[in-house]
Amino acid sequence: DSGVTQTPKHLITATGQRVTLRCSPRSGDLSVYWYQQSLDQGLQFLIQYYNGEERAKGNILERFSAQQFPDLHSELNLSSLELGDSALYFCASSDPSGTGSYEQYFGPGTRLTVT
Amino acid sequence: DQQVKQNSPSLSVQEGRISILNCDYTNSMFDYFLWYKKYPAEGPTFLISISSIKDKNEDGRFTVFLNKSAKHLSLHIVPSQPGDSAVYFCAASARNYGQNFVFGPGTRLSVLP
Repeated sequence: DSGVTQTPKHLITATGQRVTLRCSPRSGDLSVYWYQQSLDQGLQFLIQYYNGEERAKGNILERFSAQQFPDLHSELNLSSLELGDSALYFCASSDPSGTGSYEQYFGPGTRLTVT
Repeated sequence: DQQVKQNSPSLSVQEGRISILNCDYTNSMFDYFLWYKKYPAEGPTFLISISSIKDKNEDGRFTVFLNKSAKHLSLHIVPSQPGDSAVYFCAASARNYGQNFVFGPGTRLSVLP
């Protein structure tokens, strides 16, 4: 158990809809990262938040947005969903209390299926 | 353009033998590298890391080697065990530019009993 939790575990929705994925980082971790893993693909970095502020952006579509709240949990919002958005979405956390540790600890993922 | 490549999608090894997983990168600014293991229906699990100031890091059965001039790193698992069967991801970061890790596509390792 990495200490990172993600909800929901599975999500099935229709094209055009909007969903919110939730992540709670390990206790004390300040950084939260979101990744997308499509079928047989590697992990694509989407976005990173550090202590409530956006730190880095990767291949995140404009239809997607994220935020990190004062209690450090994060949400990834996916809107106008398309079939191609079906994937595993992972959250990871790192940097316990600003010590600069770079290893990222991953949650179990949310499997999103768009029909 | 894939900055981190794992050219072997899969690898099969006999139990007790050495597993060698390879990773190549193109960005010379990468200075920190991680290996992750992923079982089906679970998130990736951190295995071992190496900084560019080292050429080797060892942790139990796992050793990572870094060849900066070749922009190549490898993960050695000795001896391989059936429980090591998983997908292994290599990840690289230019730490001075933040913690934006780039992941390779993964190599599926099967350790045969």
